[in-house]
Amino acid sequence: DAGVTQSPTHLIKTRGQHVTLRCSPISGHKSVSWYQQVLGQGPQFIFQYYEKEERGRGNFPDRFSARQFPNYSSELNVNALLLGDSALYLCASSLAGGANVLTFGAGSRLTVL
Amino acid sequence: GEDVEQSLFLSVREGDSSVINCTYTDSSSTYLYWYKQEPGAGLQLLTYIFSNMDMKQDQRLTVLLNKKDKHLSLRIADTQTGDSAIYFCAVYSSASKIIFGSGTRLSIRP
Repeated sequence: DAGVTQSPTHLIKTRGQHVTLRCSPISGHKSVSWYQQVLGQGPQFIFQYYEKEERGRGNFPDRFSARQFPNYSSELNVNALLLGDSALYLCASSLAGGANVLTFGAGSRLTVL
Repeated sequence: GEDVEQSLFLSVREGDSSVINCTYTDSSSTYLYWYKQEPGAGLQLLTYIFSNMDMKQDQRLTVLLNKKDKHLSLRIADTQTGDSAIYFCAVYSSASKIIFGSGTRLSIRP
């Protein structure tokens, strides 16, 4: 069975641009969470979605948004990119809405120049 | 606010035991985790423990939880070169989020 898959794996953007990152959860998992991992730090929670509804939001500006589709896949969108948005963006899926046992994907590494 | 702290580096000799320590502030955390991250990779869940447990053992891994002191540790027996990685302590918080520490980089000496 495929694990959590994320695309793209690497991308480079310039300041002010917009980016969309995609995530497909493990088959049967209905919850998707997004985390940002800046180099040298632990992951920081951005969003959690369950059954297409937002269940949790971290301390990130409104430039960050996400959605979950009927097939439980998810997109993370970041507008007006800043240099500080350069990070590894990790998607994780879980069976239940509590999102308490997560399986992570390999991440999308975003570099903002 | 919620915080998870762990030391940044640990160096051990191959074959010895590694003990990685972590402290946390949120006493209501129900799940406590250890994740492993190898260079350029995502996070791999190694093990987790419920807050009503004191210890959990899984092959070479032993997790100890001291709820009174809000202290979590991970012991890796017979440490091998393949154990070189960054280990993250994490706790489940409210509002569906997991709080991670900054990670402990484990290096293995021959």
